[in-house]
Amino acid sequence: AQTVTQSQPEMSVQEAETVTLSCTYDTSESDYYLFWYKQPPSRQMILVIRQEAYKQQNATENRFSVNFQKAAKSFSLKISDSQLGDAAMYFCAYRSWYGGSQGNLIFGKGTKLSVKP
Amino acid sequence: AAGVIQSPRHLIKEKRETATLKCYPIPRHDTVYWYQQGPGQDPQFLISFYEKMQSDKGSIPDRFSAQQFSDYHSELNMSSLELGDSALYFCASSLGKGNQEEAFFGQGTRLTVV
Repeated sequence: AQTVTQSQPEMSVQEAETVTLSCTYDTSESDYYLFWYKQPPSRQMILVIRQEAYKQQNATENRFSVNFQKAAKSFSLKISDSQLGDAAMYFCAYRSWYGGSQGNLIFGKGTKLSVKP
Repeated sequence: AAGVIQSPRHLIKEKRETATLKCYPIPRHDTVYWYQQGPGQDPQFLISFYEKMQSDKGSIPDRFSAQQFSDYHSELNMSSLELGDSALYFCASSLGKGNQEEAFFGQGTRLTVV
């Protein structure tokens, strides 16, 4: 079974600075997806960024980028130029590539990010 | 753009009562997932449906059941409610079963059992 581990329960960053959230995972599959979701106080789950395991290039979405190390099974999220609105719980998630019954997401325990003005 | 709609947004029930949560996926989406997120916890997968058939089952208690209807909306039925069932219940929808399409989440139903 796949597992996702986020070793940082809480992180803090100064506004306009850069912060990196860590995520490791365990799987025996060679193809899969990885995601970072943001959950603000409203509790809405918002997709931040996704990475296909077969792609070597790290995904980037504006101020958000990932460092995907497939061999190390590591998938960290870097937030540049942090803004107050980035304050939220961030979940790393895994999804199997294959169709059939593997479409569900497996989440890590989350990292609570605080942004200081 | 239309999003995933969940109703009700908030629900308060007493122990041993029954609750029904509804999920209306994004138009054309044929796959629905249900997740349960307890206080301070990560979301846990409960069950999924594809084309009105149960697709996969996670940590869903036997007291819970769900189905997907002909219009693709889904309902999660919860009976003999327990205090531990208090949680945020998310529904997500996608196009296709576990393929490359991402799943979009609704805003969740907050269930409080007293």
